Amino acid sequence: SQTIHQWPATLVQPVGSPLSLECTVEGTSNPNLYWYRQAAGRGLQLLFYSVGIGQISSEVPQNLSASRPQDRQFILSSKKLLLSDSGFYLCAWSRGTSGGPYEQYFGPGTRLTVT
Amino acid sequence: KNQVEQSPQSLIILEGKNCTLQCNYTVSPFSNLRWYKQDTGRGPVSLTIMTFSENTKSNGRYTATLDADTKQSSLHITASQLSDSASYICVVSSGNTGKLIFGQGTTLQVKP
Repeated sequence: SQTIHQWPATLVQPVGSPLSLECTVEGTSNPNLYWYRQAAGRGLQLLFYSVGIGQISSEVPQNLSASRPQDRQFILSSKKLLLSDSGFYLCAWSRGTSGGPYEQYFGPGTRLTVT
Repeated sequence: KNQVEQSPQSLIILEGKNCTLQCNYTVSPFSNLRWYKQDTGRGPVSLTIMTFSENTKSNGRYTATLDADTKQSSLHITASQLSDSASYICVVSSGNTGKLIFGQGTTLQVKP
């Protein structure tokens, strides 16, 4: 069976500090990977998605970046955090985009608080 | 503009009662509509996925309906349980890209 992991579960960081959130998927190969952010009282917002190693598409211009160094690893980064980066970050995977609909499976999330 | 709007924003019901959550969308081209359940502090979990040709789908006590003509969907919960307390999110997929457009969710609280 497939599982998706995220860490850390919670994080408190000062403004201006760097960020690295990691997501890994087990039990499948060549998944599509997604990073979402959920701000308090708002719907999930797609930040990045990836259809393969090194292939990253950005949905929202911001001070965040994403990388996919391995097939089942997806990393969300920032060089300098802003207060507005606080939120609940969710990683998700799916099997593909053509011939769907394919289910998106979400990880447990990372609660980021920027102080 | 592609949007998904849900109502009510929040809802409180007594255990054992039924309830219906609403979702209206303006997404084109439409691919499919999903309902997710999200427990507090957890990732969303899928309840149903419906394509254009499907107008109803059930998952246990959860029944989703879809009217593609009016671009409306509903999620009906039967015989609610305390564990149904969560946020319910309506999500519409646009075209064939797999990108999802999320509603803000309806927060349901089931009280004993």
